[in-house]
This record gives sequence, C-alpha cells and structure tokens, in this order.
Amino acid sequence: DIQMTQSPSSLSASIGDRVTITCRASQSVSANLNWFQQKPGKAPKLLIYGASSLHGGVPSRFSGSGSGSDFTLTISSLQPDDFATYYCQQSYTSPFNFGPGTRLDVK
Amino acid sequence: QVQLVQSGVEVKKPGSSVKVSCKASGGTFSTFAISWVRQAPGQGLEWMGGIIPVFGTPNYAQKSLGRVTITADESTTTVYMQLTNLTSEDTALYYCARGGKYSLTRHGLDVWGQGTTVTVSS
Repeated sequence: DIQMTQSPSSLSASIGDRVTITCRASQSVSANLNWFQQKPGKAPKLLIYGASSLHGGVPSRFSGSGSGSDFTLTISSLQPDDFATYYCQQSYTSPFNFGPGTRLDVK
Repeated sequence: QVQLVQSGVEVKKPGSSVKVSCKASGGTFSTFAISWVRQAPGQGLEWMGGIIPVFGTPNYAQKSLGRVTITADESTTTVYMQLTNLTSEDTALYYCARGGKYSLTRHGLDVWGQGTTVTVSS
C-alpha cells in the first residue's frame, strides 16, 4: 500500500496569509493526487484533482503542485472560510489512501 | 445536479452487521464509481472500497477484505455497503462519494453523501 504523510499536522495562520501544506507519498503516484477540505460535522469537499487541476467552483486562491512523491497545496491569501482540515489522497492505485490531515486554524 | 443521499443513523451490537445505503439522483448512475470512506470520531479519512455499477465488481482496501461487501442496484440507483462482525472500532461516520466515469477516483471524489453514523456498543 502507498502511505501518505502530510506536514505540518496543524498550522495557525492569519487572514491574508499565504499558506502551504505538503503531502508526500511513500512511492510515486505520478500526478494522481487530490486535495480535500473538511469542516467540522461536514463531508469533505474536493478542491484539487490530478495534483493541480482546480475542481469546479473552488476559489482560485487554492492551487496545487507537484508530481511523483511530493505535492503542495497553497492558499494564496487566507480567507475566513478557509479554516478547516485539509487532506490529500492518492488516486494512483488501490487502496486510495488519504493523508492524516492538516488542521488550519486562526492565529 | 448529482446528489447522494445516505440512510440514517445505525446503532448496533458488537458481532452484528450493518448495511448502509447511498441513493444517487440527478445524473448518470451506472458508469460512475461510488466509493465508501469512513471517519472514526476525531480521526482522519479511510477509503474502504468502491464499485462501478455497470461492471459490478467491487474493489476493496485490504483492511476491508472479508468484512465489507459493496453492491450496486442499477434499478434503484443505490449502492450499499455492508459491514459484518462489528466491533467498537467500527464506530464511525460512513460516507459514500462519487468518483470518475469508469474509474474509481479519476478527477477525485467530487460528490459526497451526507454521511451515516454507525455506533457499535453493547
């Protein structure tokens, strides 16, 4: 199985900050990497698929990059609605494991 | 607009089974994959398995093998996830989510059900 790790596990930031979250796969997943946002009590929402493609309706301040084993999710200017937990998921091969999550909260 | 609506809260005894449903509406059913993802209280997301209804053959995570059965009923556009021999470690929120056309996860999991709480307690 491909194991996913994320760093940091938690992060405090302020409105307007540029935020970067890293995801690493235990082996190459090519560009088959997705990012999700989850708020308490809600289902996850797809932000980015294929490492860098923005899902429909997702604000352009979100972007993804990377390929192979190392990926990043960047929020260019943090907004109040962005405080949440973020998960990466590899979609290269079954089982399609998620990372452990990065909790983003208000500084 | 595609919607996934899941069945309601379940409270089960250890050793019993649970069957959760996920009804799709508003879009093409048979050719789009449905995955099941669970989340234990305060924990992360765990992919359990998925199915493309037109093919009918599920794909399971190794951890799910032997206890999880995923089926699809094209006539009612509903996907089911049955989990047997329940333990307290199965207490979680269970989500269904739509994947890609003819692919479990191409383009990510873009539509999610509201989640079904399963509590296992004696």
